[in-house]
Amino acid sequence: GQQVQQSPASLVLQEGENAELQCNFSSTATRLQWFYQHPGGRLVSLFYNPSGTKHTGRLTSTTVTNERRSSLHISSSQTTDSGTYFCAIDQGQGGSAKLIFGEGTKLTVSS
Amino acid sequence: NSKVIQTPRYLVKGQGQKAKMRCIPEKGHPVVFWYQQNKNNEFKFLINFQNQEVLQQIDMTEKRFSAECPSNSPCSLEIQSSEAGDSALYLCASSRLGYAEQFFGPGTRLTVL
Repeated sequence: GQQVQQSPASLVLQEGENAELQCNFSSTATRLQWFYQHPGGRLVSLFYNPSGTKHTGRLTSTTVTNERRSSLHISSSQTTDSGTYFCAIDQGQGGSAKLIFGEGTKLTVSS
Repeated sequence: NSKVIQTPRYLVKGQGQKAKMRCIPEKGHPVVFWYQQNKNNEFKFLINFQNQEVLQQIDMTEKRFSAECPSNSPCSLEIQSSEAGDSALYLCASSRLGYAEQFFGPGTRLTVL
């Protein structure tokens, strides 16, 4: 079945530094989402990005579908960016619509 | 921001007790998903619905778990006889279409003592 690998597992930054989170998946996906999970548990969808590049504020997501990888770039990190980031994909055409999650990248930004 | 509502936020049960949690999907989202996230951040898909119909569910769901999405009422997920291993964060998500972006609620954190 589809597998999702995220790297690094954890990342510690000083405020103002940039972060690059990676997601690799084992087979073609029709849907890819990046999520941020608050410490309390709520998952917030950051990007729905099956291909190409998308920007919102200080965040940029780039997915290269034929290379089965996606990245999330956080510029000028802030302490409020601390939390866990997940990449999730589906099984592709003809498969289930359920999301398959990576194990997450835990980001800690200190002031 | 997601408008998916989940209640209760926290649930504590003894082993063998029933545990029931509810989800109100975003308006206009006929597809609802339930996921379980354990303490190791591993996500497991449980079941999904389109309107009131089950689309897919895993074996675990078929045995001790039951779920429904009745018309004009919240969706629900119930564990008939809770086990310690059921302690987890239960997340509900909704989407416009099966393969569209999914939006998640805040989750119900279940602790089975």
